[in-house]
Amino acid sequence: KNQVEQSPQSLIILEGKNCTLQCNYTVSPFSNLRWYKQDTGRGPVSLTIMTFSENTKSNGRYTATLDADTKQSSLHITASQLSDSASYICVVSAGDYKLSFGAGTTVTVRA
Amino acid sequence: GAVVSQHPSRVICKSGTSVKIECRSLDFQATTMFWYRQFPKQSLMLMATSNEGSKATYEQGVEKDKFLINHASLTLSTLTVTSAHPEDSSFYICSARAPERGRTGELFFGEGSRLTVL
Repeated sequence: KNQVEQSPQSLIILEGKNCTLQCNYTVSPFSNLRWYKQDTGRGPVSLTIMTFSENTKSNGRYTATLDADTKQSSLHITASQLSDSASYICVVSAGDYKLSFGAGTTVTVRA
Repeated sequence: GAVVSQHPSRVICKSGTSVKIECRSLDFQATTMFWYRQFPKQSLMLMATSNEGSKATYEQGVEKDKFLINHASLTLSTLTVTSAHPEDSSFYICSARAPERGRTGELFFGEGSRLTVL
């Protein structure tokens, strides 16, 4: 069964600090892995998309890594801002475009 | 700006009535759209895949007669919640795939529609 596990479930960090979110998956065959940011009551917004051959991709203060061998990905947030408070969702796509969603990590940035 | 638009963003209805939610791709043609349901503090749950010009494919456990999906054009898919009940209250989100935007098929999400059934 295709699964996507995210950790931690939630975290609280101080403004300006860094944090790293984890995503482990068992999806096969693998097509791509996406990280989305979802603000409360809003639709998800794409942060990064990585295919099998990509190890890292950055989008501003967000940097995603992918290890296709161990089936692990991480999302690193640098110099967090209050606006980074949101849920971050890892989505893995199988070869047939079937998407598997992680439960998300809720990040709260405090001043 | 948003490339996928959902309407309405919020709707309150009485139990037993039907509610229609629209999902439009604004600047690309979407042969495939997806409908999700999201409960508080949970991730998105795929309800169905909407294919232009053909019947939608529903996920296991989703009642097709309860959640009617129509994808009549390449830019519009609608979800109708029929005979709504309070347990149907949820956040409904659509997404559309733009296959022409690179081989990974960029997936854009709508802003979501909050349904409250009284």
